[in-house]
Amino acid sequence: GEDVEQSLFLSVREGDSSVINCTYTDSSSTYLYWYKQEPGAGLQLLTYIFSNMDMKQDQRLTVLLNKKDKHLSLRIADTQTGDSAIYFCAETPGGYQKVTFGIGTKLQVIP
Amino acid sequence: DVKVTQSSRYLVKRTGEKVFLECVQDMDHENMFWYRQDPGLGLRLIYFSYDVKMKEKGDIPEGYSVSREKKERFSLILESASTNQTSMYLCASSFPGRGAFFGQGTRLTVV
Repeated sequence: GEDVEQSLFLSVREGDSSVINCTYTDSSSTYLYWYKQEPGAGLQLLTYIFSNMDMKQDQRLTVLLNKKDKHLSLRIADTQTGDSAIYFCAETPGGYQKVTFGIGTKLQVIP
Repeated sequence: DVKVTQSSRYLVKRTGEKVFLECVQDMDHENMFWYRQDPGLGLRLIYFSYDVKMKEKGDIPEGYSVSREKKERFSLILESASTNQTSMYLCASSFPGRGAFFGQGTRLTVV
């Protein structure tokens, strides 16, 4: 089935690293994504990882994929107040057309 | 830059009205999606389209219909608006199996 799970809330201090976790159930997913949503706005595609990769780094963002455990994480280094937002994990299940989203993790950055 | 434009940021309609939400994308994407976003429920897929005049029901299609007469435009129609359709509506587009790009959202209130 298609199900993406995330914790609801994470609070970190400015300058620390944030790690947002996600589990998914569809082992046939080809791409896994992280989106960011700021208040009152649409979703912004932050980064993605192809299912045959273990890790992807893009400036302050590091995505780790454990395909065996169906676990995806997003690490934000040197977290800033501008990183405060809701972060969504998403996958493309085997049907290859739809994108299935988690419920979103609200990241609060404390100055 | 990919641009997905939704026709309205805020909309207030009366119960029973027919409501049209319009979405246009400029990247020649095959896929287009309509989601609604509600607190505690994350993003739920209403309908998606993978080609002109093609559509498929998502997870919560009841009370909605869609139209895709041109590749760049995907319309969501509320045939007879009800108060439980008060929500944030998000349009997105993508190439098949790739990350979706979102519009800024339409906050619809049905009174």
